[in-house]
Amino acid sequence: KQEVTQIPAALSVPEGENLVLNCSFTDSAIYNLQWFRQDPGKGLTSLLLIQSSQREQTSGRLNASLDKSSGRSTLYIAASQPGDSATYLCAVYSGNTPLVFGKGTRLSVIA
Amino acid sequence: DTEVTQTPKHLVMGMTNKKSLKCEQHMGHRAMYWYKQKAKKPPELMFVYSYEKLSINESVPSRFSPECPNSSLLNLHLHALQPEDSALYLCASSIQDRSYEQYFGPGTRLTVT
Repeated sequence: KQEVTQIPAALSVPEGENLVLNCSFTDSAIYNLQWFRQDPGKGLTSLLLIQSSQREQTSGRLNASLDKSSGRSTLYIAASQPGDSATYLCAVYSGNTPLVFGKGTRLSVIA
Repeated sequence: DTEVTQTPKHLVMGMTNKKSLKCEQHMGHRAMYWYKQKAKKPPELMFVYSYEKLSINESVPSRFSPECPNSSLLNLHLHALQPEDSALYLCASSIQDRSYEQYFGPGTRLTVT
């Protein structure tokens, strides 16, 4: 059964800092991995989708990498801003259940 | 249009009420999903519809009844809910079931009294 872990559970950084969020999964036979952002009480916003054949995806200040063989993905956020404060969720698709989510990393960017 | 809409935004209902949640998308997606999310937890999959047919039911109690009248619309009918069913209910869609990027709606905050 696929399990997804996100470390750290919470992170607080000063504005302008570059940061890395980590996601690991137990079954490396995945089809894709998706990173989401969720603001309190709101729905999920898709940030990046990486297919299993890809190594990374970029969107603006965000860069997500995937190392399928080691069961890891990272989300790199450059020059963080207070507006980046949210919970970041990693989710993988690996066969039977469309998406398996990690518990998320709660990010606070302090001005 | 890359938007999934959900109504209502908030819903308070008693344990004997019957109510419905509505989800709509006009992106031509043929897969639609219902998720339940409790506070500080990740979303949990409830149902998947693929081409208007129920393809996955994650052992959800029968007091939750999904319906997909057409390819753009997904309903969740609620009856005789319990207080522990209070949660954020999220709808999502994707081009097809499995292996495609999912787009989520803003959710309905449900409180059962």
